[in-house]
Amino acid sequence: EPEVTQTPSHQVTQMGQEVILRCVPISNHLYFYWYRQILGQKVEFLVSFYNNEISEKSEIFDDQFSVERPDGSNFTLKIRSTKLEDSAMYFCATGQGTDTQYFGPGTRLTVL
Amino acid sequence: SQQGEEDPQALSIQEGENATMNCSYKTSINNLQWYRQNSGRGLVHLILIRSNEREKHSGRLRVTLDTSKKSSSLLITASRAADTASYFCATRDRPGQGGKLIFGQGTELSVKP
Repeated sequence: EPEVTQTPSHQVTQMGQEVILRCVPISNHLYFYWYRQILGQKVEFLVSFYNNEISEKSEIFDDQFSVERPDGSNFTLKIRSTKLEDSAMYFCATGQGTDTQYFGPGTRLTVL
Repeated sequence: SQQGEEDPQALSIQEGENATMNCSYKTSINNLQWYRQNSGRGLVHLILIRSNEREKHSGRLRVTLDTSKKSSSLLITASRAADTASYFCATRDRPGQGGKLIFGQGTELSVKP
């Protein structure tokens, strides 16, 4: 069964550094999402992306965050200057036009 | 605003028993979904119920929705040790894609063999 994959599984970075989290969607999916989950807290929506543009973003998704689909397959989340509070699990999700979103295994980001 | 608050926060049962988890939400929804998350892993979609439905079944899962009380419950019958995971409800305010999921805090279920 096709799956959403994410790399890396764990990223450790210093505060102020840029990180790029990568997601490979299921091949025929057209809708893409990023969520995050701070340890012990609920999963929070960050951004949705369709037709090469952002459809919706949350208050969390400020100017430090950006998304793109650089090569038509990978879907990336970039954090320009990481803060301690960006430490979380970041989940990519994709969908094909129904209500169900398919989640990847996540990238654990640790900002030191 | 908070949406999708589950209770209990943690539930421990013996294998073979039924597990019931509840979810409440605050705003209007188009559908409500339940997801499972095994420790340190991604979220797996379990079942979806639309706002015009009251009950839905899928295998050992039964979900109910009461829009007048803005609440839903997930029942797992004849639980197994492999059901040990966190369970989240998530709501959507509109159908189809493009709409975000709003998750609750989750219920941590432990099924002891």
